[in-house]
Amino acid sequence: LAKTTQPISMDSYEGQEVNITCSHNNIATNDYITWYQQFPSQGPRFIIQGYKTKVTNEVASLFIPADRKSSTLSLPRVSLSDTAVYYCHNLSGNTPLVFGKGTRLSVIA
Amino acid sequence: EPEVTQTPSHQVTQMGQEVILRCVPISNHLYFYWYRQILGQKVEFLVSFYNNEISEKSEIFDDQFSVERPDGSNFTLKIRSTKLEDSAMYFCASSETRDSYNEQFFGPGTRLTVL
Repeated sequence: LAKTTQPISMDSYEGQEVNITCSHNNIATNDYITWYQQFPSQGPRFIIQGYKTKVTNEVASLFIPADRKSSTLSLPRVSLSDTAVYYCHNLSGNTPLVFGKGTRLSVIA
Repeated sequence: EPEVTQTPSHQVTQMGQEVILRCVPISNHLYFYWYRQILGQKVEFLVSFYNNEISEKSEIFDDQFSVERPDGSNFTLKIRSTKLEDSAMYFCASSETRDSYNEQFFGPGTRLTVL
């Protein structure tokens, strides 16, 4: 199963841009990189996915370098409601998600 | 927006009792999953289900667990004889197709408390 590495926690002030980087050391050719968000006592929620270069949606941007060994989730102008745990994954098809401890983002007013 | 639903939201049971957790996946989805999260710990995969059979299962998913899709809409997880360590949030998820990658949509979870 794919294993990723990401920081345990991060703090940010409201209105700042937050970048969370993940290492995908054993990513396979067919794998996509995905990020999920989880609020306390709720199920994980899909944020964004990409294969390479840059992807942007209404919530975040995802930067993936050419070697695909890492990815960076960028949250523009975070608010208190962005306080959550963020998980990165790399997988293909419908393989199960393997959750690590994620990155606990705390947004401070 | 379509969503995965789960019932009940909270289940309290005595050790040794059977429980059935219910999920209604998004209607056109073909893959179904159960995950669990013990309080304060990471989300763990239990089982995936496709075409009316188990696709993959983890070491956690032992003989005490079973899954079923009894009709065209429900997807259930049964724990035959609950143990204290089964206390956790149980999340159901579904995804659309087999192509490349498809995001998994998670339900709100069922909090299982075993006394």
